[in-house]
Amino acid sequence: QQPVQSPQAVILREGEDAVINCSSSKALYSVHWYRQKHGEAPVFLMILLKGGEQKGHDKISASFNEKKQQSSLYLTASQLSYSGTYFCGTEIAFNTDKLIFGTGTRLQVFP
Amino acid sequence: NAGVTQTPKFRILKIGQSMTLQCTQDMNHNYMYWYRQDPGMGLKLIYYSVGAGITDKGEVPNGYNVSRSTTEDFPLRLELAAPSQTSVYFCASMTSGSDEQYFGPGTRLTVT
Repeated sequence: QQPVQSPQAVILREGEDAVINCSSSKALYSVHWYRQKHGEAPVFLMILLKGGEQKGHDKISASFNEKKQQSSLYLTASQLSYSGTYFCGTEIAFNTDKLIFGTGTRLQVFP
Repeated sequence: NAGVTQTPKFRILKIGQSMTLQCTQDMNHNYMYWYRQDPGMGLKLIYYSVGAGITDKGEVPNGYNVSRSTTEDFPLRLELAAPSQTSVYFCASMTSGSDEQYFGPGTRLTVT
């Protein structure tokens, strides 16, 4: 049931782009994206709802492909501050009140 | 607002000992969650609560117990600690109608 994230790790230079994918074997109602910096707690980035549009703020955006049960997180023109581990959390139905998190994608951005 | 606070920050337990991890939030959130995060892994839901007096199991509840007597507090009890419970434990809270969970700083637990 745990969603699968790919790739497991990404190394970038500042200014480069990255895409992180989150795939589920179950039909999804929503996908939530969180970022966790080393030694810190996860922080919410955004939510994608079934039937919703692509979302984003600044240079981080995401999409949700209902046919594939997959969400993709797009990081463009990466900054050093983007470094961390990105997790997707999936919800299989409306109002289940709980998320199943993926194993994470570790992103490192170097100058 | 302090947000979500957790105590202790670190703890070492011997096999078979018991302890309670404390979690308090001052945002009047009705939803609260306990997760564990093993090294290099994602978050696994242990227990959650949708309001005072209501708790439910998550993905990995065995070896743990919770209670929710107030809106603010959601303690996690470990009985008969085992090495497999070595992990970082995160508490989170969320308000009804929102999609954002707020996480506490975590408790790093080692069982030897």
